[in-house]
Amino acid sequence: AQTVTQSQPEMSVQEAETVTLSCTYDTSESNYYLFWYKQPPSRQMILVIRQEAYKQQNATENRFSVNFQKAAKSFSLKISDSQLGDTAMYFCAFMISNTGKLIFGQGTTLQVKP
Amino acid sequence: DSGVTQTPKHLITATGQRVTLRCSPRSGDLSVYWYQQSLDQGLQFLIQYYNGEERAKGNILERFSAQQFPDLHSELNLSSLELGDSALYFCASSVDAGTSPSPLHFGNGTRLTVT
Repeated sequence: AQTVTQSQPEMSVQEAETVTLSCTYDTSESNYYLFWYKQPPSRQMILVIRQEAYKQQNATENRFSVNFQKAAKSFSLKISDSQLGDTAMYFCAFMISNTGKLIFGQGTTLQVKP
Repeated sequence: DSGVTQTPKHLITATGQRVTLRCSPRSGDLSVYWYQQSLDQGLQFLIQYYNGEERAKGNILERFSAQQFPDLHSELNLSSLELGDSALYFCASSVDAGTSPSPLHFGNGTRLTVT
């Protein structure tokens, strides 16, 4: 069975600083995708960034980037120049290719402080 | 706006009752997924439909059922409700069934409270 673990239930960061959220996963599959979703207080689930496992290059979306370590099964999210609007719960998620089913971690609540 | 519409936004009902949650996927998306988010279980995958057919099942109780109609909208039926069924129920859609890293687009959820 596939599992996703986020070991940091809560984190905080000062505005304009950088923060890294951790995620590890367990799978025997070789073809899969990884995602980070953000859930602000409005409770909407918003895609932040995605990574295809066969790509060695780490994905980047503006202030958001990942550190994908396939051998270590690690997929951390780095948020640079944190903004107050980044305050949310962040979920790491895993999808085996050709299934479409997302498996989520337990989430990390991030508080950006002014 | 994700383009995925869920109704109703809130639902309050009593134990033993039956409710139906509705979802309209994003235009062009063929896959619909249902997820349950609760404090103790986190985000749990319930079921997936692709172009009208059941594609995958997760931790869905026998009291729960779903279907996807020819116009691609989907309904999740919850019956014999228990207090523990209180949760946020998300619908999500994607263009395919996982053949590409197409992200899932989530609706705003239906908050179900069972009293």
